[in-house]
Formats: sequence, C-alpha cells, structure tokens
Amino acid sequence: GAVVSQHPSWVICKSGTSVKIECRSLDFQATTMFWYRQFPKQSLMLMATSNEGSKATYEQGVEKDKFLINHASLTLSTLTVTSAHPEDSSFYICSASVYNEQFFGPGTRLTVL
Amino acid sequence: QKEVEQNSGPLSVPEGAIASLNCTYSDRGSQSFFWYRQYSGKSPELIMSIYSNGDKEDGRFTAQLNKASQYVSLLIRDSQPSDSATYLCAVSIFGNEKLTFGTGTRLTIIP
Repeated sequence: GAVVSQHPSWVICKSGTSVKIECRSLDFQATTMFWYRQFPKQSLMLMATSNEGSKATYEQGVEKDKFLINHASLTLSTLTVTSAHPEDSSFYICSASVYNEQFFGPGTRLTVL
Repeated sequence: QKEVEQNSGPLSVPEGAIASLNCTYSDRGSQSFFWYRQYSGKSPELIMSIYSNGDKEDGRFTAQLNKASQYVSLLIRDSQPSDSATYLCAVSIFGNEKLTFGTGTRLTIIP
C-alpha cells in the first residue's frame, strides 16, 4: 500500500501555543488529503478535507480559524492547531487517497498542558 | 439513524476459529466499502476494499458485500491473537473520496 508519514509523532505544548503537524505522501502524489481527530475509545472524526492548491473544506462544527490547513504541494499537507487548549488534546491522523483507497499516517498525539 | 453501523463488541473468538464482523449502511448511493484494522494507540490500516456484490478474498480475510441488503461483512479465518484489534467499516459514495466510518468492533482472539 501507499505510505503516508506524519511529523511529529507526539507533541506536548503549553496552553495558548500553536502546533503544526505535517502529513506527507511518500511514494505517490495526493491531490486530496484528510485530517481526522480521535478521542480515546471513540471512532475517527473527520475534521477537514485538504485539497492541493485550494482552501480546505471543513466539517460542520470544526473551527477553520483554529485548525488551519495548508496543502502546499501534492505530497504535503499541514494542520496547525492555533492557541491550543487542553480540550484540543487528542490523536490527530491524516490520510491520503490514491486509486480510491485512503491510507493513513501513523498519527500525532497532541497533549496540551 | 447512524449512517454506518457496527456492533461495538467486544467480540471474543477462540484462536483458530472464524471471526465474523458485520456492518450495515444507510446510504444506497454508497459505492465503495472498506475494512480497516486499528490496534490500540495506532492509526487505522487498510486491510480490504470491496466494490461489487459478492465475496472478495485476500489471504485469511474475506469481505462480503450485499448492496440490496446494505450490509458488508469481514470474515477472518484461522484467527490469530495478532488479529485482536478494533475493526472499522467505512463507506464512500460515488464521486466522493470522503469516508464515513462506523464506530468499530473490538475483536479479541482468545489463545
């Protein structure tokens, strides 16, 4: 299958700071990437669809000014959690589509103190 | 009504037996169906995709799709302890890459 990487794999930050998470497709080009969030013992929640060269499409209830998404190239999408608060602590996972199949990155565990 | 429904489990199966996981969906426009495996603390891993009615086999895994009844299932033969994980069913509609996930079924293989 296709390989998707994420960086960092985990991050701890203070409340009020911003955190950037990178998602890269390593062996294919992805015009569309997706960002998910998963709280403990819950299923994946789609946050937004990231499209190369255009604005991201956010799901209902997701604050676009808080979760900034940039899809600068066909292999890189970034998610920036701005002014993070403890309730933003979660497991953030990106995915990329190729040949109608979505492959997930390993995820980034964010802890906001 | 949830769009994609799965029995949350836990489902316990003896080692070597067949594990059967089921999923129903509500949108008749659904065209693509996927099974993901997620180990605790890890991200989902694609194990099967199916697009046509019938069975699709890959090693110990068989996906079954019945669009008329709106269900998709996953059979795991010769279950191994390493199969213990949460299995997520996901569907997408024609022309849309966005996936809708079920809440997952937690499977435990008992040695």
